[in-house]
Amino acid sequence: QKEVEQNSGPLSVPEGAIASLNCTYSDRVSQSFFWYRQYSGKSPELIMSIYSNGDKEDGRFTAQLNKASQYVSLLIRDSQPSDSATYLCALSTGGGNKLTFGTGTQLKVEL
Amino acid sequence: ETGVTQTPRHLVMGMTNKKSLKCEQHLGHNAMYWYKQSAKKPLELMFVYSLEERVENNSVPSRFSPECPNSSHLFLHLHTLQPEDSALYLCASKGSASNEQFFGPGTRLTVL
Repeated sequence: QKEVEQNSGPLSVPEGAIASLNCTYSDRVSQSFFWYRQYSGKSPELIMSIYSNGDKEDGRFTAQLNKASQYVSLLIRDSQPSDSATYLCALSTGGGNKLTFGTGTQLKVEL
Repeated sequence: ETGVTQTPRHLVMGMTNKKSLKCEQHLGHNAMYWYKQSAKKPLELMFVYSLEERVENNSVPSRFSPECPNSSHLFLHLHTLQPEDSALYLCASKGSASNEQFFGPGTRLTVL
């Protein structure tokens, strides 16, 4: 079983809709969770961090964490074409010095 | 300069060449990382330096040699690479206050 699993997509949503990106993980001791956005040909950009169960909102982005079920999700409200990118889920292990990444979900926001 | 910078942004090298990638962080962080990103694969952690000491080496071939002269600079020395080493090489840094890592723009490496 992969340590961090994401559906590779592409996930296509119409402009203005809510995009829902999901990630499951296998290491129960993981404490910190992150979402990175990566545009084609660019490097990953940190957009959300979440450390405790529940929801965390930042603008149009909401991260949701459920440690009991071992999943973390990212909701993007009012999706825009500029949100089209690959979204990487990551979690910290080994005392926090190391991040483990999923393969990413490609999101396409269509006009 | 702000954030994490990397040079060069693009590099084409032959299998017999020797080259170096440079990373500099302007964030006051104390940990630095090298990652390799190949198509359709998760980011692969190569090396971790914390307080200028290498704390992790993920079974990386010896043709990749890291160097961390101080907490702001990180190098990756390359020699006798193989075509399968062609990838995006990313540097990242992290401070002591959180586990968030911040990436540089990457070096796109092509080995002929």
